[in-house]
This record gives sequence, structure tokens and C-alpha cells, in this order.
Amino acid sequence: KAGVTQTPRYLIKTRGQQVTLSCSPISGHRSVSWYQQTPGQGLQFLFEYFSETQRNKGNFPGRFSGRQFSNSRSEMNVSTLELGDSALYLCASSFGRGESPLHFGNGTRLTVT
Amino acid sequence: QKEVEQNSGPLSVPEGAIASLNCTYSDRGSQSFFWYRQYSGKSPELIMSIYSNGDKEDGRFTAQLNKASQYVSLLIRDSQPSDSATYLCAVDLFGNEKLTFGTGTRLTIIP
Repeated sequence: KAGVTQTPRYLIKTRGQQVTLSCSPISGHRSVSWYQQTPGQGLQFLFEYFSETQRNKGNFPGRFSGRQFSNSRSEMNVSTLELGDSALYLCASSFGRGESPLHFGNGTRLTVT
Repeated sequence: QKEVEQNSGPLSVPEGAIASLNCTYSDRGSQSFFWYRQYSGKSPELIMSIYSNGDKEDGRFTAQLNKASQYVSLLIRDSQPSDSATYLCAVDLFGNEKLTFGTGTRLTIIP
């Protein structure tokens, strides 16, 4: 069974630009969660989608948004990039129940210059 | 109090010894608990899940849960250099279908 696939693996952007990250979950998983990981803050929850609906949202500004498609694939968008947005962005999929563990993709390393 | 708290380490353990990693959490009603391992430059990978009080063993790994004390731990027996990584504790706080992670404990196994 294929794992969670994230594209692209690496991105370099300039302040003020926007970026879109993509995530394909494990087949059969209907929930996709996004996390931001930085050395200082650890894994911070961005949002979670289940059956195309945002079910949970973390404490990030409105510049961070996402969506999920009918095939469970998800995209995350960050507009007006800031230097502090440089991080590893991780997507994880699950069956969507509380007892279901998350399975992570390899992540997208975003660098904002 | 942080919602999910771990000692950041680094924790150094001799090869062959038992490594003990601890995690406390804030919500008494939490039901699902997970341990992830993250190698440097890689994404987290699931090691163990535990849902009931007591011990759960899987190979060299044992997870221990005490809901009354709001405490979950991971024991690694016969530690190997390949166990050197950051270990993340994750909890479904408040049953809200998202996992909250601790900041992780960096473990180094000394040959």
C-alpha cells in the first residue's frame, strides 16, 4: 500500500509570495491533517480535513488555508509568505477517528528568503 | 502547563541498556496515545499506540499508560545505536479528532 505522498519535497520562495503544497493520503484514509514543524516550536497543528470539511483548525493566521478534494487529496496554501514561515510542513492521513494513528508523508521543506 | 509535555533531553543511554521516555498530558478524558520516532531530517513514524491503562509490548518497545496520573511512557529494551532519534508523544486531547504532540525527547544511544 502506498504511503502518504507530499509534493514538492523542497521549495524556496521569497517574502510576499504565495505557495501551495499538495498531499495524497493513504488509500482509504479520509482524514488529512497538516502540521508545521520548526526546531523551536516542534509540531504545530494547522488544520484537519475529513470528507472535504475542515473539522479542526489550529492557531495560525488566516494566511494559512487548506482544502480537501473528493478523492481525499488535500492542498495547503500560504499567502504573503513571511520569513517565519520557513519550516517543514507535514501532511498526515488517517481513518479520521480519534483512535486512528496518523501516518506522515515525507514533508515539504519550505524556505522563505 | 503544556498540553503534552516531554523532557526535551538529550537523554543518553548506553547500548544494551533500557531507555525510558516519559510524557504527561493535561486532559484527563484523553483516550488515545501514540509514540512516534523521528530521525533527523525525516518525518515521524508510528512506533506504538496505547488506549488502555497498563503495559503494551511490541518487540523491544513497551508503552505504559496511567490515565489517573495522566502519564504515558515508552521503554526501549536492549537499546541499539539505531534507536538514536527524537521520540514524540501524541495525545488526542479533548477527543477532538486531532493529535497534539509534545516537543519530543532526543535520545542518543552510546555504543
